[in-house]
Amino acid sequence: DSGVTQTPKHLITATGQRVTLRCSPRSGDLSVYWYQQSLDQGLQFLIQYYNGEERAKGNILERFSAQQFPDLHSELNLSSLELGDSALYFCASSANPGSSGNTIYFGEGSWLTVV
Amino acid sequence: AQTVTQSQPEMSVQEAETVTLSCTYDTSESDYYLFWYKQPPSRQMILVIRQEAYKQQNATENRFSVNFQKAAKSFSLKISDSQLGDAAMYFCAYRPQGAQKLVFGQGTRLTINP
Repeated sequence: DSGVTQTPKHLITATGQRVTLRCSPRSGDLSVYWYQQSLDQGLQFLIQYYNGEERAKGNILERFSAQQFPDLHSELNLSSLELGDSALYFCASSANPGSSGNTIYFGEGSWLTVV
Repeated sequence: AQTVTQSQPEMSVQEAETVTLSCTYDTSESDYYLFWYKQPPSRQMILVIRQEAYKQQNATENRFSVNFQKAAKSFSLKISDSQLGDAAMYFCAYRPQGAQKLVFGQGTRLTINP
């Protein structure tokens, strides 16, 4: 158990809909990351937050947004869903991002299926 | 751009034998970190081992060890005494100093034959 908690574990929704994925980082970790794993794109970095502020942005679509709340949990919002958004979405956390050597710990992922 | 390449999409090994998974990366940075993650059928990403580029000594974690060749930009993972529970997808990942994200390779699917 990595200590990173993600909900829901599985989600099936229709095209055009909006979903929210939730993540609680490991106790004490201030940094949260979101990654997308799809069959054709592999593991792609989406976005990172540190202590409530956006720190880095990757290949995140404009239809997607995220935030980190004062209690450090994070939500990834996916809107106007398309079939191609079907993927496993990972949340990960780490301690002080100033040290890149800090290990990033992953949650179990939220499996999103768009039908 | 930094890239990570795993040239072996699939590997198989007999139980109790040793297997080596290959990883190369492309970077102009001198200071960085390398990781191997394991993704079993449960799909969870589990850290196996990490290596700091400034350390010459190869990292070891029980049956798992790496062969880090900085000049060649190579970072292979050796699994000794393979066990059925080692069957998984293995991802090599790179993280430069000061950067936030991990760059992953495409993965190697490891099968353990009983």
